[in-house]
Amino acid sequence: SYELTQPPSVSVSPGQTASIACSGDKLGNKFAYWYQQKPGQSPVLVIYQDDKRPSGIPERFSGSNSGNTATLTISGTQAVDEADYYCQAWDSNPAFGGGTRLTVL
Amino acid sequence: EVQLVESGGDLVQPGGSLRLSCAASGFPFSSYSMNWVRQAPGKGLEWISYISHSATTIYYADSVRGRFTISRDNAKNSLYLQMNSLRDEDTAVYYCARDHRWTTPPGDDGMDVWGQGTTVVVSS
Repeated sequence: SYELTQPPSVSVSPGQTASIACSGDKLGNKFAYWYQQKPGQSPVLVIYQDDKRPSGIPERFSGSNSGNTATLTISGTQAVDEADYYCQAWDSNPAFGGGTRLTVL
Repeated sequence: EVQLVESGGDLVQPGGSLRLSCAASGFPFSSYSMNWVRQAPGKGLEWISYISHSATTIYYADSVRGRFTISRDNAKNSLYLQMNSLRDEDTAVYYCARDHRWTTPPGDDGMDVWGQGTTVVVSS
C-alpha cells in the first residue's frame, strides 16, 4: 500500500507562516489533498488537486506538490487554524498520511 | 444542503457483526463514488473502503478485506458497510465521505463531503 509520511507536530506563532510537509514515492506525479480536522469534528477538505482551495477556505491556505513532497502552507496563521492536518493521495486506492498536529502558540 | 448522515454504530462483542449506513442528500448520489474512512481513538484517519458510482469497482484496505463489505443502493441514496468478524482494533469512528464524480477518474477529486461519523466499539 502507498505510504504518506507527515511530521507528527508543527508549531507556529500567530501571524507567522506554517508549513506542513507530506512525503511519498513520486507524490508529485499524483494529486495531493489536505484535510483539516478540529477536535470532535469531521475532516474538512482545505486543498484539492495540489493547490486549489474549495469554496469557503481562506486564502491563507495554499498548497504545492513536486517530486516526493507535497506541502500545505498557512500564511498569517491564526489561533483558529490550530488543528490536525492530513494529506491524502490516490495510488491504487486512497491513502492518508499519519496527520500533523498544528499548534499555534 | 449537501449532507451525509451515518448511522448504525454500536457496542458489539469481538467476533460480532454490524451494518453501518450512510444517507446522502442534496446531491446526485448515483453520480459519485464513495468511501468509508475510520478513526480509532486518538489516532489518524484510515481509509478502509471505496465503491464507484455504479458499484462496479470496489476496493478494501488490507486491514478489513474479507471481513467488511461495502455496498450502495442508488435508489435509496444510501451507502452501507457490513462489518463481520469484528475485532477490538476495529473500534473507531466511521465516516462516509464523497469522492469523485463519475466523469472524473479516481484521484482527481478529494473527499469533499464528510458525514458526522458513527461510533463502533468492539469490546467484551
